[in-house]
Amino acid sequence: DAGVTQSPTHLIKTRGQHVTLRCSPISGHKSVSWYQQVLGQGPQFIFQYYEKEERGRGNFPDRFSARQFPNYSSELNVNALLLGDSALYLCASQGAGLRGYTFGSGTRLTVV
Amino acid sequence: AQSVTQLDSQVPVFEEAPVELRCNYSSSVSVYLFWYVQYPNQGLQLLLKYLSGSTLVKGINGFEAEFNKSQTSFHLRKPSVHISDTAEYFCAVTLTGGGNKLTFGTGTQLKVEL
Repeated sequence: DAGVTQSPTHLIKTRGQHVTLRCSPISGHKSVSWYQQVLGQGPQFIFQYYEKEERGRGNFPDRFSARQFPNYSSELNVNALLLGDSALYLCASQGAGLRGYTFGSGTRLTVV
Repeated sequence: AQSVTQLDSQVPVFEEAPVELRCNYSSSVSVYLFWYVQYPNQGLQLLLKYLSGSTLVKGINGFEAEFNKSQTSFHLRKPSVHISDTAEYFCAVTLTGGGNKLTFGTGTQLKVEL
């Protein structure tokens, strides 16, 4: 079985641009969460979706948004990029019982 | 709200020596606890987790951790480390019941030397 897949693996954007990151959860998993990991720090929670509904939101500005599709894949959108948005963005999926988290390899976003 | 403190930002250790990475948490309600490992330029890999039951939890790659409720700790141990264990280790906590966000510590860089 495929694990959590994220795309793209790396990308470079310019300040002020928009970016869309994608995540496909493990087959059968209905919950997807997004985390931001700035260099040298632990991951910070951004969003959680379950059955296409937002279940939680971290302390991030409204420039960050997300959605979950009927096939349970998810997109994270960031508008008006700032240099400080440069980070590794991690997606995690959860299966039945919602007590385990499997992470993807992440998308490394660099804003210049 | 819950929080996690990893007391050591870096831990150097010689190969085949034992190691302990410390993690303390703060929460007013019951929690689940996790240890993840992150190799350079990779995502997070689950080492072990405590959900309930025995307080001594065994994970992959020879790691184990002990949940101590009175000391609100969940320290990670390995009796003999290998060069390949060099990585960043993160302790994380979430509220019980499922479906809640993970709160991570700032990480401990384990450097295994010959």
